[in-house]
Amino acid sequence: GAGVSQSPSNKVTEKGKDVELRCDPISGHTALYWYRQRLGQGLEFLIYFQGNSAPDKSGLPSDRFSAERTGESVSTLTIQRTQQEDSAVYLCASSKTRSGELFFGEGSRLTVL
Amino acid sequence: DQQVKQNSPSLSVQEGRISILNCDYTNSMFDYFLWYKKYPAEGPTFLISISSIKDKNEDGRFTVFLNKSAKHLSLHIVPSQPGDSAVYFCAASGGADGLTFGKGTHLIIQP
Repeated sequence: GAGVSQSPSNKVTEKGKDVELRCDPISGHTALYWYRQRLGQGLEFLIYFQGNSAPDKSGLPSDRFSAERTGESVSTLTIQRTQQEDSAVYLCASSKTRSGELFFGEGSRLTVL
Repeated sequence: DQQVKQNSPSLSVQEGRISILNCDYTNSMFDYFLWYKKYPAEGPTFLISISSIKDKNEDGRFTVFLNKSAKHLSLHIVPSQPGDSAVYFCAASGGADGLTFGKGTHLIIQP
């Protein structure tokens, strides 16, 4: 596709379950970001992948959160033992360069009951 | 510690008037700044950017001003239109890090 694709668009889960969110970046984009936006809050940085460099994980809120990226393609964000405070829209974005324009997906809305 | 700050959570402007959205940053390593616009239930979209070698960049109704000494940038929208109602995020980058976003300002254009 032409844009950043995220799935699922909506996910409702029970507290304590694991969830996996997927992001397909724009082909050729070396940089990939995960952000989350909780209700009434701004964009919160989670993790950043740049080419083959070690990812910047400084934004991950706890060790229940992890993310992987295969080369310069798909990324998955995994949240283990979900908590209600994990409820948010999880946004993925990619760009050609480190500081270039980011193209965002439409997000995955996670609701933890 | 917020490195990019948007101190106004919301701003209401009359249609046809100028909208001015402000952003302050603390990291002197930032050398590239961007504004993103977000409608409800959509991902943010790029609006305009400015490099630290410039102090102004204009694109149609949108102009971004950068004051490096004050570590301040602003987005001017003139004239404001109803479709401009959205949340606007300021973002900055520099060094080896990726983009850092502010918390956003909700712009409401009143008819």
